[in-house]
Amino acid sequence: SQQGEEDPQALSIQEGENATMNCSYKTSINNLQWYRQNSGRGLVHLILIRSNEREKHSGRLRVTLDTSKKSSSLLITASRAADTASYFCATDAGSGAGSYQLTFGKGTKLSVIP
Amino acid sequence: DVKVTQSSRYLVKRTGEKVFLECVQDMDHENMFWYRQDPGLGLRLIYFSYDVKMKEKGDIPEGYSVSREKKERFSLILESASTNQTSMYLCASSHYYTDTQYFGPGTRLTVL
Repeated sequence: SQQGEEDPQALSIQEGENATMNCSYKTSINNLQWYRQNSGRGLVHLILIRSNEREKHSGRLRVTLDTSKKSSSLLITASRAADTASYFCATDAGSGAGSYQLTFGKGTKLSVIP
Repeated sequence: DVKVTQSSRYLVKRTGEKVFLECVQDMDHENMFWYRQDPGLGLRLIYFSYDVKMKEKGDIPEGYSVSREKKERFSLILESASTNQTSMYLCASSHYYTDTQYFGPGTRLTVL
């Protein structure tokens, strides 16, 4: 099954700086999602971008999608210590509604230093 | 808010024991999933279910089985636990017509 690959594997920044994470995938998708996981906890959905969208915003999050390059980026602006977590991209290559499965990347571990 | 709960946060079992991990969701979601998460390997899908009594194998079903007798409950069964099944197990659910998954807090299973 296809898999998203996040880059970098780990990122350390100072509070207030912007954090950018990238995701590449291999085949055509219906949508791409980003999830966040605090240490030792479950994943939390952040944002979904559809294959016909190029950019989406949610609060301090900005996601871009380039289907020609099969890549996406997640930008967190004005980072806070509470943003420290692992971030995963997930792709759905199903044929439509009820395609059920997501394939997750291995994640980017973000550390925001106060 | 969607709530997905898992029966235990931490579990320690011995090799050869039969282990049950339970997951309950309260949003009437059709789809439910079991993943395991290991360092360096990310999340890997074990089994999923899109309806009561229905199940589909994921990427790594060997050594596991599942049960879904009620819509809100999805159980993962390790028939005979082995040390290589030590992992974090995550349950998730989603509505049939959306791809967004809602995760439980995870169960960290250690098999000795």
